[in-house]
Amino acid sequence: DAMVIQNPRYQVTQFGKPVTLSCSQTLNHNVMYWYQQKSSQAPKLLFHYYDKDFNNEADTPDNFQSRRPNTSFCFLDIRSPGLGDAAMYLCATSRDGLASRQQYFGPGTRLTVT
Amino acid sequence: RKEVEQDPGPFNVPEGATVAFNCTYSNSASQSFFWYRQDCRKEPKLLMSVYSSGNEDGRFTAQLNRASQYISLLIRDSKLSDSATYLCAVNTLTAGNNRKLIWGLGTSLAVNP
Repeated sequence: DAMVIQNPRYQVTQFGKPVTLSCSQTLNHNVMYWYQQKSSQAPKLLFHYYDKDFNNEADTPDNFQSRRPNTSFCFLDIRSPGLGDAAMYLCATSRDGLASRQQYFGPGTRLTVT
Repeated sequence: RKEVEQDPGPFNVPEGATVAFNCTYSNSASQSFFWYRQDCRKEPKLLMSVYSSGNEDGRFTAQLNRASQYISLLIRDSKLSDSATYLCAVNTLTAGNNRKLIWGLGTSLAVNP
């Protein structure tokens, strides 16, 4: 089945130790998104790629970076995780940027920072 | 005022009840509207897109009121399996002339036997 896959599902890292989360998709969608979601909060968009074009949200800290080496894969790098970065990180895709397109989510990576 | 606001929860209803959620949005330029369902510690999954004419999918009915800038979700004959958080998402043109989904905080529904 076509899908959005995230690895790992659970990640524990130490304060300040860089971590990379990965997302892959078999939907061949043009747009890939990274969201951060904390408990009882709405998903917060960090950035997205439209093909190779990177779009950062104005309030996304510099500590968060992303790479999209090809259509299928997108990575979220957290350069120096703080305790406040513990959250669920959701990858999503959409076929294109049209307003009517739904977003398809991966199962998420739950990040714990010790 | 938040860009997207939802009814405060949690809603606790008995099986078989009808329950309705509302979601208001502040940007009149919003174009597309969605209801997502999110189970505990899982990812959001699309429940319904919301169309201008309103749309129904089995026990679920979504309505859009552009004049009053709100969308609604009605669940009839609630099942235990409907227990989840329901997130409203609105596709909006931002200040930077970009489109993005703005999410509500979600409304928690617990259907009790």
